[in-house]
Amino acid sequence: QVQLQESGPGLVKPSETLSLTCTVSGGSITNYYWSWIRQPPGKGLEWIGFIYYSGNTIYNPSLESRVTLSVDTSNNKFSLKFYSVTDTDTAVYYCARSGSFTGSFDSWGQGILVTVSS
Amino acid sequence: DIQMTQSPSSLSASVGDRVTITCRASQGITNDLGWYQQKPGKAPKRLIYAASSLQSGVPSRFSGSGSGTEFTLTISSLQPEDFATYFCLQHNSYPRTFGGGTKVEIK
Repeated sequence: QVQLQESGPGLVKPSETLSLTCTVSGGSITNYYWSWIRQPPGKGLEWIGFIYYSGNTIYNPSLESRVTLSVDTSNNKFSLKFYSVTDTDTAVYYCARSGSFTGSFDSWGQGILVTVSS
Repeated sequence: DIQMTQSPSSLSASVGDRVTITCRASQGITNDLGWYQQKPGKAPKRLIYAASSLQSGVPSRFSGSGSGTEFTLTISSLQPEDFATYFCLQHNSYPRTFGGGTKVEIK
């Protein structure tokens, strides 16, 4: 049973970069599509983007200018960098897996709350 | 972007009740829809994929139906462990988009 675990700082200052990592255990990162999703407090879910194990990416156009995803296949991890954050980027951030380019998310991490505040 | 409109946003129900939640897509998505259960502090769990296929290990009281623009999640007999938030996801096109969620509470 694959498990995903998000990690990173829980507090980021405005204008700085939010950096998170998702560690995949119980399965390989290869041959899957890996996404980041976020949920601001009291609001709905927003898909940020995905990265294939080969490094190919697709981003949500609404966030693309501030986001970079990367993958580390040797350590079964993938990462999110979110630049120039503001308080509206405060959210629970989830990582998730899809079995195919067209598939839904079959496994999720439990999420990590990141607060943007000075 | 495809907009997913989920209703109701919350509902109160009793153990044993039949519960129905609906998601409507702003354009046709064939059967590219999943349903998820979310509990506080836990990873969301996929219940239904391809609109009507039951995820392995999920109780048979959960079922999904629909295609095109209208989809339904039904819990045939609500159990205590089913009190949670449910949401839908369309995976027909990018960017992926979600329904707003339905919080199922104890009456």
